[in-house]
Amino acid sequence: SQTIHQWPATLVQPVGSPLSLECTVEGTSNPNLYWYRQAAGRGLQLLFYSVGIGQISSEVPQNLSASRPQDRQFILSSKKLLLSDSGFYLCAWSKEGNQPQHFGDGTRLSIL
Amino acid sequence: GEDVEQSLFLSVREGDSSVINCTYTDSSSTYLYWYKQEPGAGLQLLTYIFSNMDMKQDQRLTVLLNKKDKHLSLRIADTQTGDSAIYFCAESKYGGSQGNLIFGKGTKLSVKP
Repeated sequence: SQTIHQWPATLVQPVGSPLSLECTVEGTSNPNLYWYRQAAGRGLQLLFYSVGIGQISSEVPQNLSASRPQDRQFILSSKKLLLSDSGFYLCAWSKEGNQPQHFGDGTRLSIL
Repeated sequence: GEDVEQSLFLSVREGDSSVINCTYTDSSSTYLYWYKQEPGAGLQLLTYIFSNMDMKQDQRLTVLLNKKDKHLSLRIADTQTGDSAIYFCAESKYGGSQGNLIFGKGTKLSVKP
């Protein structure tokens, strides 16, 4: 069966520091991969999605970037974190574009 | 427009039925989803319905879809305290390889003993 892992589960970082969140999927190949942010208001905002290695689409302009160095690995990064980057970050995968998305357990990021 | 709307709160007594409602705006959506999020956790896919269906039942869960009114509902029979969570409705679009899901803001279900 397929599983998705995100780490770390929680992270506290100072303003201006770099960020690297990692997400890996097991049990499937060539998945679509997604990064979402869930702010305090509970809405989910799609940040990035990827349909293959090295293929990243950005949904909103921001201080973050994403990379997919391997088929089942998706990384969310920032060179310099802002206070507004605080939130709950969720990674998800799906088999194809219109198939159900399955989520990881999320990373809670607090910026001080 | 691409808004998915849900009421923010619902409170029920244990053993009663819960009905969570959702409206969406894009009639070209192919799948409609219900996700459950427990505190501090990721989203768990509960069930989904294809747009050419009007009902789907899965144990205590019943999904009703009214395409004409663009209305989706999730009924939870015999609601238990473990059902307390935030429930998200989401629609997906056909033809986009990215499989973009548009989420509602979630309905927080509180179950009182």
